[in-house]
Amino acid sequence: GAGVSQSPSNKVTEKGKDVELRCDPISGHTALYWYRQSLGQGLEFLIYFQGNSAPDKSGLPSDRFSAERTGGSVSTLTIQRTQQEDSAVYLCASSLRLSGQGNYGYTFGSGTRLTVV
Amino acid sequence: DAKTTQPPSMDCAEGRAANLPCNHSTISGNEYVYWYRQIHSQGPQYIIHGLKNNETNEMASLIITEDRKSSTLILPHATLRDTAVYYCIVRDNFGNEKLTFGTGTRLTIIP
Repeated sequence: GAGVSQSPSNKVTEKGKDVELRCDPISGHTALYWYRQSLGQGLEFLIYFQGNSAPDKSGLPSDRFSAERTGGSVSTLTIQRTQQEDSAVYLCASSLRLSGQGNYGYTFGSGTRLTVV
Repeated sequence: DAKTTQPPSMDCAEGRAANLPCNHSTISGNEYVYWYRQIHSQGPQYIIHGLKNNETNEMASLIITEDRKSSTLILPHATLRDTAVYYCIVRDNFGNEKLTFGTGTRLTIIP
C-alpha cells in the first residue's frame, strides 16, 4: 500500500486478556519500529526491526510485551495479561535504509488505540 | 534521552512565517537534525532533516547554525492545518537507528 497500515484502529479489552496489534509497513521498507503514546504524553520507543538483524528490544516495558516480524514485512505486537496502564496509542513506523547511506525519515501509521478496562 | 531543547508552546498568525527554534548543543559530528510534527490524533509526520547545510522542501526550510548547536524550522506561510506538536530530534544515520522524541513545541496557528 501507499502508507503504513495498522489494525485494528481501536481495541477495547478486559484487564488480563492478551491482545495482538498488527502493522503492515510500506513495501520495501526494511526498518520497522513500534512506539506507544499515552494520553497527553510523548512517544515512547518500544522495539525496532532492521532486516534480518536481531531486533532492538530495549524499549519494551516488561516481559508481557513481545513483537515479531515475519518475512521481513508484517509485524505483530503482542501484549499478554493486559493492564490498565497499557492503555495508549500504539504507533508503528517504517523506513527505507539504503546500505551505507543510513536511514531516511520514518513514515508512521495512524496507530491502534488500546483501551484496557 | 532527548538531546534537544524546544519551547513548550508557540503561537503564530495565519499567513505569517512560523519559526520554531531548537537547541542541540551536544550534537556530534555525525548526527543529523530531524523535524517531525504530530497533528492531533494522527501519527507523527516527517518534515525535513539536515546535517549542516540549510535544507528546503515543499513543507518547510531548515536553518542550521554554523556551529550546529541550534536550528530553526521555518514554515513560510502558516495555515490553520499547521497547528501541531513539532519535534526536533538529533540522530546519527548509522548504527543508532531509533528516533527519540522529546516533548516538542505545540504550535498554534491563530486565525
